[in-house]
This record gives sequence, structure tokens and C-alpha cells, in this order.
Amino acid sequence: EVHLVESGGGLVQTGGSLRLSCAASGFAFSVYSMNWVRQAPGKGLEWVSYMTGSSTTIYYADSVRGRFTISRDNARNSVYLQMNSLRDDDTAVYFCTTSNGALDHWGRGTLVTVSS
Amino acid sequence: DIVMTQSPDSLAVSLGERATINCKSSQSVLSSSNNKNSLAWYQQKPGQPPKLLIYWASTRESGVPDRFSGSGSGTDFTLTISSLQAEDVAVYSCQQYYSFPRTFGQGTKLEIK
Repeated sequence: EVHLVESGGGLVQTGGSLRLSCAASGFAFSVYSMNWVRQAPGKGLEWVSYMTGSSTTIYYADSVRGRFTISRDNARNSVYLQMNSLRDDDTAVYFCTTSNGALDHWGRGTLVTVSS
Repeated sequence: DIVMTQSPDSLAVSLGERATINCKSSQSVLSSSNNKNSLAWYQQKPGQPPKLLIYWASTRESGVPDRFSGSGSGTDFTLTISSLQAEDVAVYSCQQYYSFPRTFGQGTKLEIK
């Protein structure tokens, strides 16, 4: 069974940094593309970033490009999101997801709160 | 960027009745390489992560009840719940995976009338 567990969320000051982690199990992690998707309180879903299994292809949403960095460690079955220069509107639950086209498996998410 | 627009924003349907949610993309998501529409539907219940229901516009994910169906092609898509059950109360969102950035509709809140 696919299992994704996010961690690393918390309260951070505006302009600060945070690193999210997602631990994966139950599937061949190294061959799967991974994504981060976020959801601001009471709002809809916003795709944030994508990385292929080999880490050769990466995409970012315009809203985070230049501030966020996605990475993965296939030996540790983990994907990460380094978030710098955080803004109030980055406040959201951050989900990691697998993708085989559609976003087929989701973690439960980790809450990031950015406040001055 | 492809803009995804859902209608309605909210919907109240009686138990056992049909629920229909529409999703329109600002450009076609039909892939010429496989002749499939790169469109997915997700269900999100309160306090839970989204769950994939439908991909390639009409293919049900494993374990999804057959009362859920997806249809449409090009730019216009529909999610239909043939006979609403109490456990179907949720927010439903469409998403295109034709191109980056991936984009979602704003979500449709489905309630019991």
C-alpha cells in the first residue's frame, strides 16, 4: 500500500525558511514523479512543484519559482521542499503526491503558517 | 497557463438523485499522442487529503464506486454521481495534467438537500 507522510511544517516568520519532507513507502519510489500541492485555509488546491524520478525534470508554479526548491533522495525514499523568503500567502497545508499523469496518491499534508 | 473553471460553485442534491458537476478548460487538454484527455477529478472530504476519482477524463480509479462517472472531451468535462449517497458529501475538483503548470478548478461543494 502506498504511504506518504509529510513533515516539517510549522509556524515561521515572514521572510523565513522551512524545509518540508515527505517519506514514501509501498511502491518503487525512484521511478515515480512526485509533486507538492498546497491548499490555503478554506481555499482550493494549488499545484506547487514537480520532479521526475531521476530528478532530471523539474517544474515550479510561478508563485514559488525562485523561492522554493524541490529535491529528492531515492535512497531514502523521500522528497523535499525547501521554502525560502516565505510570504503570508504561502500559508497552507502542503501535500506531497505521486503522479502517473494524474495525482494518484496523496499524503495527509503538513501545515505551514507564515506570520509576521 | 490553462485555466480550469468549474460550475456550479456549490450544489445541493437529494439522496438517491443525480449530481452533475461541470469543468471547462481554457484550451484543449486532448493529447494527440494518445488521443486521451489529460483531465482528472478529485474528491476531498473535510479534514482529509484529496482522493483521485477519475483520470483520463473517464477512467475510474480502482475502488471508486461505479456511481461516479466522468465524460467529455477537448475543453468540456462532466463528473456525474448517478445516485447520491450521504458519504459523497465533499468538495470535487477537476485538474488538467496536459501541461505545466498543472492547474485545478476552484472546486464544487456538494451537499445533501
